[in-house]
Amino acid sequence: NAGVTQTPKFRVLKTGQSMTLLCAQDMNHEYMYWYRQDPGMGLRLIHYSVGEGTTAKGEVPDGYNVSRLKKQNFLLGLESAAPSQTSVYFCASSLYNEQFFGPGTRLTVL
Amino acid sequence: GENVEQHPSTLSVQEGDSAVIKCTYSDSASNYFPWYKQELGKRPQLIIDIRSNVGEKKDQRIAVTLNKTAKHFSLHITETQPEDSAVYFCAASITSGTYKYIFGTGTRLKVLA
Repeated sequence: NAGVTQTPKFRVLKTGQSMTLLCAQDMNHEYMYWYRQDPGMGLRLIHYSVGEGTTAKGEVPDGYNVSRLKKQNFLLGLESAAPSQTSVYFCASSLYNEQFFGPGTRLTVL
Repeated sequence: GENVEQHPSTLSVQEGDSAVIKCTYSDSASNYFPWYKQELGKRPQLIIDIRSNVGEKKDQRIAVTLNKTAKHFSLHITETQPEDSAVYFCAASITSGTYKYIFGTGTRLKVLA
């Protein structure tokens, strides 16, 4: 099993560009989450999903959209990137309590 | 809103000494408290967790204690080793519905050889 994977690992964008981050899990987990990690601020929840076809807002959803068309995939989109979205993005999935994290995507917005 | 405070933000200990990291949560409905370890450039990984119906849990050199009345929980690492150096995050969750975590801001632990 690959667990939780994220694509891409690194990305540099210019202000105003758009991109999609892909998270995939092969553990048949119902719950999936997108976090951003900034120095000194821990992990903050952007959006999450409790099952295929569902999404909900977390603590810091502004500027991001998500979709969960398939149970194993959770996509995070930035429609118009801003320098404030420079961060490390982690995806996680869970069946119940324990969340399993992907390796992260380092995004820089210039 | 829901909040988890974590202290200290940095902690340096001598190899072999003990380390204690403390967290306080705000939502009294929280009933699951995991601790994650994140090494530099790596993903967070669960090291120990505790549920609200338990006061203490141990796993070799690691232990977690919970005081539900005070809404405090703590991570204790004994006989620290250089490989314990990492950032540690606490979190609080409600085990129903969304299973969302609220994370603390992290503690950078340095174990000095």
